[in-house]
Amino acid sequence: GNSVTQMEGPVTLSEEAFLTINCTYTATGYPSLFWYVQYPGEGLQLLLKATKADDKGSNKGFEATYRKETTSFHLEKGSVQVSDSAVYFCALTSSSGGSYIPTFGRGTSLIVHP
Amino acid sequence: EAQVTQNPRYLITVTGKKLTVTCSQNMNHEYMSWYRQDPGLGLRQIYYSMNVEVTDKGDVPEGYKVSRKEKRNFPLILESPSPNQTSLYFCASSLSARDLNYEQYFGPGTRLTVT
Repeated sequence: GNSVTQMEGPVTLSEEAFLTINCTYTATGYPSLFWYVQYPGEGLQLLLKATKADDKGSNKGFEATYRKETTSFHLEKGSVQVSDSAVYFCALTSSSGGSYIPTFGRGTSLIVHP
Repeated sequence: EAQVTQNPRYLITVTGKKLTVTCSQNMNHEYMSWYRQDPGLGLRQIYYSMNVEVTDKGDVPEGYKVSRKEKRNFPLILESPSPNQTSLYFCASSLSARDLNYEQYFGPGTRLTVT
């Protein structure tokens, strides 16, 4: 079956540091890839997505590139802020027998200190 | 405002007392889903629905029921809750069940405690 593996957290950084959160996946066919963010006490919301190989998704200074050769979708940001403190989920959607199958990683907690 | 709503947001109940968590979306989405979120386990899908009157089991369906009589509503039913169902529950929806590119929209969550 499909799977998404994220680096374990928490990731603790100082403000303005560079962020990388690793994500690798296993899936059949050609999945779409997503990063969701969950702020404290809230539901998940889409951060960015990429729907085919070599696509780069970007939003709010975050970027991730769909790498089919390494089956990866690592999240990066050049300069984090305290307000970026949240849990980040890597996810994919694929199809199997006509069904839409979403698969989530376990989430990576990011803590940014002033 | 486009949104997914869930009620209640917080619920404390006792073992065996039937409960329903409601979920509603106002975006005319085809696909709806329930997840539970537990520490160290991330999000696990309970049930999903590709459209009205079409539901199917996710990864952890035991102890739960769902129905999809209308497009906008997708309630989660616990017929006889047990303490291992204490968790944070999220409802989500997506525009189409046939297009992989559409993201899911999540509700704010329901924190359930079963004693």
